[in-house]
Amino acid sequence: DTGVSQDPRHKITKRGQNVTFRCDPISEHNRLYWYRQTLGQGPEFLTYFQNEAQLEKSRLLSDRFSAERPKGSFSTLEIQRTEQGDSAMYLCASSLVSGSEDEQFFGPGTRLTVL
Amino acid sequence: QQQVKQSPQSLIVQKGGIPIINCAYENTAFDYFPWYQQFPGKGPALLIAIRPDVSEKKEGRFTISFNKSAKQFSLHIMDSQPGDSATYFCAASDFGNEKLTFGTGTRLTIIP
Repeated sequence: DTGVSQDPRHKITKRGQNVTFRCDPISEHNRLYWYRQTLGQGPEFLTYFQNEAQLEKSRLLSDRFSAERPKGSFSTLEIQRTEQGDSAMYLCASSLVSGSEDEQFFGPGTRLTVL
Repeated sequence: QQQVKQSPQSLIVQKGGIPIINCAYENTAFDYFPWYQQFPGKGPALLIAIRPDVSEKKEGRFTISFNKSAKQFSLHIMDSQPGDSATYFCAASDFGNEKLTFGTGTRLTIIP
């Protein structure tokens, strides 16, 4: 257990529905990242926050995806009008930017299945 | 565009052997190269990481070898054990460990 928690762990939804995932980072960490991992592939970067500011979004993050980190604590990732291609593991990671090696600690992920 | 290429895709090694996993990168701005271990149903966990100012780093049974001119780095696992059976990912990033670019993973199996 790295200290990063994600909820829910599994989500099954029908195409066209909206889903929201939550990530609670390690409490003192100021950076929070979202990645997506499909079967047999490495995680792909989606977006990241430093405190409450969203600093970068990947082109993988279509307009149907939105992420927030209010008050610089937990973060939510919402997918609107889900498509079957959104089925994947959504991973959250956090780190403390300190100028040295800023290890990213990953949560267990939320596995999304879109039927 | 795949910026980090990883090989082999899968690897079977006998207990006590030394599995070697290789990665190559294209972006010369990368300056941080971690290796992650992932078990089924779990998130990736950092094993060891290296910066380009050194050519080798050892932590316990894990060693990273880094070749800056060839833009390649590799993971060696000494005295491998069945408990090391997992998927291993190399990754790279720049500007102080921001977004990580991952390789496609190597599924390692250590047989007794």
